[in-house]
Amino acid sequence: QSVLTQPPSVSAAPGQKVTISCSGSSSNIGNNYVSWYQQLPGTAPKLLIYENNKRPSGIPDRFSGSKSGTSATLGITGLQTGDEADYYCGTWDSSLSVWVFGGGTKLTVL
Amino acid sequence: QVQLVQSGAEVKKPGASVKVSCKASGYTFTSYGISWVRQAPGQGLEWMGWISAYNGNTNYAQKLQGRVTMTTDTSTSTAYMELRSLRSDDTAVYYCARDPYYGSGLFDPWGQGTLVTVSS
Repeated sequence: QSVLTQPPSVSAAPGQKVTISCSGSSSNIGNNYVSWYQQLPGTAPKLLIYENNKRPSGIPDRFSGSKSGTSATLGITGLQTGDEADYYCGTWDSSLSVWVFGGGTKLTVL
Repeated sequence: QVQLVQSGAEVKKPGASVKVSCKASGYTFTSYGISWVRQAPGQGLEWMGWISAYNGNTNYAQKLQGRVTMTTDTSTSTAYMELRSLRSDDTAVYYCARDPYYGSGLFDPWGQGTLVTVSS
């Protein structure tokens, strides 16, 4: 059971937009930055978003992040088949003194 | 380019130890830390701990305290993660990731992963 809650799966058609939610508490999301990671099938995760809404160099602006209260959201526009992956949110948990991840969300581009 | 290359897959018996290496290149090794993250088959990600490559300071997830040791060798820009008293539920892919400071979550980039299988 993950400290952060994500939907197990989401789906959308190519070219459309999708959002993935990540719900936590005041000990984690509510008072710390959120990061998002993309894990393509059979590969290592990759940093997608950090500090709630910043993109590392090389990450297209189709990917965006936001945070409100104890929840965070990853948005992906202009969906491509190559976006099919597992997406994980993560943040520091001040009570547990550990970096925590959500359970992951599998994105299917229909 | 910045790259982390990990050692190969391991098969261990319950109770044994495993040591995974992570060789860094393309950046000043001592200017960053390294986090270790594992992923059990078909499961999500679990953060194991962080080590400073500058001074060797470590912070481990409480769950693994006493069983895990993280070290670095600055002469070869290599980080190591040793896990002792292995159990079947330690079977996972182990990843290293460059991480500038403890608790940052700025895991970028990641190594390719090392599969550790614990089986009798």
